Amino acid sequence: EIVMTQSPATLSVSPGERATLSCGASQSVGNNLAWYQLKPGQAPRLLIYGASTRATGIPARFSGSGSGTEFTLTISSLQSEDFAVYYCQQYYNWPPLTFGGGTKVEIK
Amino acid sequence: QVHLQESGPGLVKPSETLSLTCTVSGGSVNSHSFYWTWIRQSPGKGPEWIGYVSYGGSTNYNPSLRSRIAMSVDTSKSQFSLKLTSVTAADTAVYYCASSPRGTVTLFDYWGRGALVTVSS
Repeated sequence: EIVMTQSPATLSVSPGERATLSCGASQSVGNNLAWYQLKPGQAPRLLIYGASTRATGIPARFSGSGSGTEFTLTISSLQSEDFAVYYCQQYYNWPPLTFGGGTKVEIK
Repeated sequence: QVHLQESGPGLVKPSETLSLTCTVSGGSVNSHSFYWTWIRQSPGKGPEWIGYVSYGGSTNYNPSLRSRIAMSVDTSKSQFSLKLTSVTAADTAVYYCASSPRGTVTLFDYWGRGALVTVSS
């Protein structure tokens, strides 16, 4: 099973600032990496797949990069609706599909 | 726009069976996606993939849960279901149903809002 590790666990950012979230894989997953946004009481949202392709309707301020074992999600200018928990997910080697432990982006 | 809604008991006793249903609206279980997935999130942890059922009834489960899981689909009701037997406190989680875009089973484009299931006597 591929283990996904995210850092930091919590990121405190002011609105308008840039947020950089990291995701690491215990072995190479190529570019088979997705990012999701979760907010309490809401349906999770697919943001990025293929490590860098934005899903339908996702604003351009969200960008993904990386390949192999190291990945980054960048939110270029945080909006109020972006404060949430973000998870990475690998889909290279499965079952099982595996997710990281999450990064909570909170208001500074 | 596909809408998914989980339903089922919020409290299950240890050793009993957890049963959840996901109702699909704004589409059907054989139009938007071929694959319908269950994912859960225990308190303080990342999401855990439980498995999927296809609109034709084929399944693929997480090896760690395989012996206790059964998934099924009812195309006439646009519903798919999860049964998890012999539950313990470790099965306490928010359970999500999700769909995959056509052509894939490994990404999830539509999710329900989740159903909290607590295992306790």
